[in-house]
Amino acid sequence: DADVTQTPRNRITKTGKRIMLECSQTKGHDRMYWYRQDPGLGLRLIYYSFDVKDINKGEISDGYSVSRQAQAKFSLSLESAIPNQTALYFCATSESRNSPLHFGNGTRLTVT
Amino acid sequence: DQQVKQNSPSLSVQEGRISILNCDYTNSMFDYFLWYKKYPAEGPTFLISISSIKDKNEDGRFTVFLNKSAKHLSLHIVPSQPGDSAVYFCAAPSIQGAQKLVFGQGTRLTINP
Repeated sequence: DADVTQTPRNRITKTGKRIMLECSQTKGHDRMYWYRQDPGLGLRLIYYSFDVKDINKGEISDGYSVSRQAQAKFSLSLESAIPNQTALYFCATSESRNSPLHFGNGTRLTVT
Repeated sequence: DQQVKQNSPSLSVQEGRISILNCDYTNSMFDYFLWYKKYPAEGPTFLISISSIKDKNEDGRFTVFLNKSAKHLSLHIVPSQPGDSAVYFCAAPSIQGAQKLVFGQGTRLTINP
C-alpha cells in the first residue's frame, strides 16, 4: 500500500462545481502539503499544515481551501472550480524542515 | 518571484554518457537543497540532497555539486541509463515564514539508447 494515497486519481468537472481532493498517509508525519504542478511552472505550494490545528496558506491559495481532519488526513477543496485550476495536484508529507517530502501519485483535475 | 530556477526545460543524452542538470537560486540564505525525480503518472520522489556547508554530495551514480558564490547547483548522472528518463526538480526550503520547499520548473531528461 502506498504511504501517501490520493483520491481520486483523475477527475473531470465543470466550471462552478465544488470538488474535494483527498489525501491520507500512513507515515505518521505531522507535516502535510498540497502542491499543484503546471507545465513550465514546476510545483507550487497551495496550502500546508504542520499539525492538526495548524493551517497555512502557500503561494497560490486563492480559490482553494483545506481541512486537516486528523493527523493522517488532509483534504483540498475547490469551492467553485474554474478552468485555470486544471492541473496535476500532489499531496505530500514530511517529518521535519529538512526532511524530504513524500508525495502521493497525484490527482489529475480537468475543469471544463 | 522564482527563487529556484531551472532554465533548461529538456535535455537529451546518449545512454552511458554523463547527464548534467542545472539549477540556479536567488537567495543566498538557502542552506539546503534537494533534487527530486518524477516519472509520468507518479509523484516526485526524493533523489539526493546537499547542505550548504558542503560543495559536493555523492550517492552512487548521482552527484550534486553546489557553487555558493555563483548560487548554482548541478546534478550529475554517470553513466546515464534509460531508466533515468524522467523530470527532475531542484528544490530548497524557503527561509521565509514556516519553512516549506520551493521548487524549480523542472527539466525533462531523455536518455537515448
